[in-house]
Formats: sequence, C-alpha cells, structure tokens
Amino acid sequence: AQKITQTQPGMFVQEKEAVTLDCTYDTSDPSYGLFWYKQPSSGEMIFLIYQGSYDQQNATEGRYSLNFQKARKSANLVISASQLGDSAMYFCATTTDSWGKLQFGAGTQVVVTP
Amino acid sequence: DADVTQTPRNRITKTGKRIMLECSQTKGHDRMYWYRQDPGLGLRLIYYSFDVKDINKGEISDGYSVSRQAQAKFSLSLESAIPNQTALYFCATSETGTGSTYGYTFGSGTRLTVV
Repeated sequence: AQKITQTQPGMFVQEKEAVTLDCTYDTSDPSYGLFWYKQPSSGEMIFLIYQGSYDQQNATEGRYSLNFQKARKSANLVISASQLGDSAMYFCATTTDSWGKLQFGAGTQVVVTP
Repeated sequence: DADVTQTPRNRITKTGKRIMLECSQTKGHDRMYWYRQDPGLGLRLIYYSFDVKDINKGEISDGYSVSRQAQAKFSLSLESAIPNQTALYFCATSETGTGSTYGYTFGSGTRLTVV
C-alpha cells in the first residue's frame, strides 16, 4: 500500500515569508497523482494543487507551487508570501489507481504570525 | 447550494445507538467516498462506490456500513456507535478518469461525537 509521510506536525511562519511543507510518498506504481489540500479551522477540505507523475513541469497555482522531485519521491508544497489566512492544516495526498482513492498524510499545521 | 451536502453537520450520540450520516451531490459524479479524519492520522477511507451497484470497503470499514440509494446519494451508517468512532467524517465525489485531478469535491464534513 502507498504511504504518505509529512514529517512536520506543525510550524510557524511570519507573514509575507515563504514556507515549504514536506511530503514524501512511497509507491512503486509509475503512474500516480499528488494532491495538496488545505483545511482551515472551519473544517472544510480545500483543493490547492495537483501534480501528475508524468508531468514534466512543477505545478503552480497562484501563490502555491509544488516542488516535485520524482526520484526522491518528494512533493513539497511551497507557499509564497504567506498571509494570515494561510493558517490551517495542510494535507498531502496521493492516488495510484484508476479508482481515484486518496491516501492522505497526517498533515502539517501551519500558523502564520503577523 | 453546495455541490456535496452532508447532513447533519454535527451530531452527538450515545454508545450503542444506530446513526446514519447522509451525503448528496449535484456534481453528477459516479464515484462517491466516505473518509474519516482523526487528529494526527489524516483522512482514511471507509467505503467507496462507483455506481449504485458497486460498493467497496476501504481501509477502515469495520463498524460501518453504507448504502448508495441513487447516483447522487451515499449514506454511511454506524450500526452500534462506540466512542472511538468519534471523528470528523467527510463525503467526497470524483469524476471518472485517470491522469487528472479527478475533479474531487469534498462535503463540509460531519462532526460526530459518541458519548
């Protein structure tokens, strides 16, 4: 079974600084997708960014970018110019099968300070 | 209206009671999922369904059952609730296909407390 590891249970970042959230995955499948979700204190799951295993370029969505290092099985999320509203739990997830089932990491709690 | 609606949003129930969590969607997606979130464990898959006649167990199905009443409705039942089923439950849908974002949509979650 695939395994997702997020080694940072929590971190503080100052407003306007960039922050990198680590994610490593363990799969032998050549085809897979990597997702990052944000969960604010209100609880909803907000999709941030997606990277396919065959995508040649790192995915970017506004202030979010994914540092995809395939050989290292690493898919770190970079949030540039942090805002107070970025304070939330962040989950890395992956799917390797055609059924679309997601496997989640344990999450990283980010607190943005003024 | 939300694309994926979960009811109730919050529920407190007693040990041993039967409880049903409901999920309905207007996305027109064939695939529906139930996940459970516990602190420090992320989300884990309970059951998933790819159409009305297709129900599959996920990683942690023990103690749960599901019903896919229609393409748009997928209910999760706890036949006899126990305190360690206290968690945040998410329903999700996705579109058929591979090599894409799957068009995943999550409901707002149901916070269940079993006392």
